[in-house]
Amino acid sequence: NAGVTQTPKFRVLKTGQSMTLLCAQDMNHEYMYWYRQDPGMGLRLIHYSVGEGTTAKGEVPDGYNVSRLKKQNFLLGLESAAPSQTSVYFCASSSTPTGTSYGYTFGSGTRLTVV
Amino acid sequence: AQTVTQSQPEMSVQEAETVTLSCTYDTSESDYYLFWYKQPPSRQMILVIRQEAYKQQNATENRFSVNFQKAAKSFSLKISDSQLGDAAMYFCAYRSATVAGNQFYFGTGTSLTVIP
Repeated sequence: NAGVTQTPKFRVLKTGQSMTLLCAQDMNHEYMYWYRQDPGMGLRLIHYSVGEGTTAKGEVPDGYNVSRLKKQNFLLGLESAAPSQTSVYFCASSSTPTGTSYGYTFGSGTRLTVV
Repeated sequence: AQTVTQSQPEMSVQEAETVTLSCTYDTSESDYYLFWYKQPPSRQMILVIRQEAYKQQNATENRFSVNFQKAAKSFSLKISDSQLGDAAMYFCAYRSATVAGNQFYFGTGTSLTVIP
């Protein structure tokens, strides 16, 4: 089925460890986004990309890096995990907002716990 | 940056009754989109309804409808004939039509409980 696939779905890290979250979409969307969801704070944008080879910072980028080497993939990296990065991470993609094709397609989320 | 405010952290409704979830937003733009997303315990984000700011007519999707008041910057969601499956977290979201990146800005969510 077409959509956004996130891997892994769950992960436990120790403080200081690194990891990469993978987001893959097969809808040929230009735009891709990484959000984190924390209780009482909604979804906050970490980084986003408006096309292959481009990335930009969102609202809460510190402690994260991203790459978009291929149009269909958007990677989120944590170089040195901290307990404050315990969260649920969502990837989303969209076409450019024209006509009726302006909604997000979300992945199913990754629950990350840093101990 | 735009801000989206959902002032009701929790709401409850009797099955088959009607409930309205509130959302306000702050923007200086004239062209944008508004959305309501549902997040059940499965964690999946599901689009409920969307509204283009240039349209005066309120959007409707089956039992879901919105009251869009552009001047007041208000975008409430009405759920009619509430069902047990409507129980979820609901997020209001704003998306610019012009700013590069066109990212969504989300409210903090309203947790809806449906009472049998």
